[in-house]
Amino acid sequence: DAGVTQSPTHLIKTRGQHVTLRCSPISGHKSVSWYQQVLGQGPQFIFQYYEKEERGRGNFPDRFSARQFPNYSSELNVNALLLGDSALYLCASSRGASGSPSYNEQFFGPGTRLTVL
Amino acid sequence: KQEVTQIPAALSVPEGENLVLNCSFTDSAIYNLQWFRQDPGKGLTSLLLIQSSQREQTSGRLNASLDKSSGRSTLYIAASQPGDSATYLCAVVPGGYNKLIFGAGTRLAVHP
Repeated sequence: DAGVTQSPTHLIKTRGQHVTLRCSPISGHKSVSWYQQVLGQGPQFIFQYYEKEERGRGNFPDRFSARQFPNYSSELNVNALLLGDSALYLCASSRGASGSPSYNEQFFGPGTRLTVL
Repeated sequence: KQEVTQIPAALSVPEGENLVLNCSFTDSAIYNLQWFRQDPGKGLTSLLLIQSSQREQTSGRLNASLDKSSGRSTLYIAASQPGDSATYLCAVVPGGYNKLIFGAGTRLAVHP
């Protein structure tokens, strides 16, 4: 079975531009979460979606938004890019969003490396 | 506010050594704890998941323990190999909310 896939792999944008990152979860997984990882730090939670509804949001500005589609894939959108948005963006999928730990175990994709110039 | 700390930040050891990586968290009300491995510029690979009711989990040369009351977890790597070189991340899931809160990681280098 395919794991979590993300596209694109790398992306270079300039300040003020907009970016859309995409994620396809593992087959059968209904929850997708997004994380931002700045160099040298652990990932920071951005959003979680389950069954197309937002289940959680981290401490990120409104420039960050996301959505989940009927096939459970997801997009992360970032508007008005800043230099500080340069990071590895990670997507994780899980079967569910609550309940037993095995149901919630998150599996990560390879990430999208975003560079803002 | 839950905070996760990992010590040491970096570790360099010769091949064959047994290692202990430490993780501490400030709020003992966690749902579970996961250890991940991350190779440079890559995504995260889940190594072990410990449920809040468990004390330890084992997979091959890896053993992770959890002491909720003291807010600590350790990852034990037996007979380290150069292929174990990577960053190891500890993450907790706060009770009732399926988001991961990560530490900054321990960067491990195992040299031949």
